[in-house]
Amino acid sequence: QQQVKQSPQSLIVQKGGISIINCAYENTAFDYFPWYQQFPGKGPALLIAIRPDVSEKKEGRFTISFNKSAKQFSLHIMDSQPGDSATYFCAAGPSITGGGNKLTFGTGTQLKVEL
Amino acid sequence: DTAVSQTPKYLVTQMGNDKSIKCEQNLGHDTMYWYKQDSKKFLKIMFSYNNKELIINETVPNRFSPKSPDKAHLNLHINSLELGDSAVYFCASSIGGRNTEAFFGQGTRLTVV
Repeated sequence: QQQVKQSPQSLIVQKGGISIINCAYENTAFDYFPWYQQFPGKGPALLIAIRPDVSEKKEGRFTISFNKSAKQFSLHIMDSQPGDSATYFCAAGPSITGGGNKLTFGTGTQLKVEL
Repeated sequence: DTAVSQTPKYLVTQMGNDKSIKCEQNLGHDTMYWYKQDSKKFLKIMFSYNNKELIINETVPNRFSPKSPDKAHLNLHINSLELGDSAVYFCASSIGGRNTEAFFGQGTRLTVV
């Protein structure tokens, strides 16, 4: 059972365009929603994260939009650049305390930004 | 300085062998993890340790045994390797508590032949 569903699986965007990746979750116990970026041969790295008390968070060209009632969140990359070409993972973390940070990841989106 | 370092980066071995992957973090974090990324790039948590104590153990075969000699190290030992164990294994660390940034190592690509 995939608790965090991510789409699309792959995405091709022209340089300067907007890349949009969507995720949906089912478990209402999630209350932390990070996005990770992974380049080939490297480990994932945190890009931006949001908590459900806000509907949007922006950092530079990257924006997370969060819709708590729909249990959906999305990543928008404005003015996409070839250097943004990577695999993007959404994730969700639980609200239950107990130590650690059990992230449930989406299936990933391979983004390619073309010149 | 590498924050989370894993060795080896590549590991090719035959079925039935036993192998270990080592991980060290110099971030002062008290929580460490092992994640498995399969051929479709799906990332799934395997284990989590907090101050050397096991706190998350997903449904992983007993052939996988993590060991944390201190809070800066988390090693993964795999017995009787199978073809299906081929994947990229990532070590990660975080400050602890919940919902904090996880820092990942570069990964160990394990290929079982």
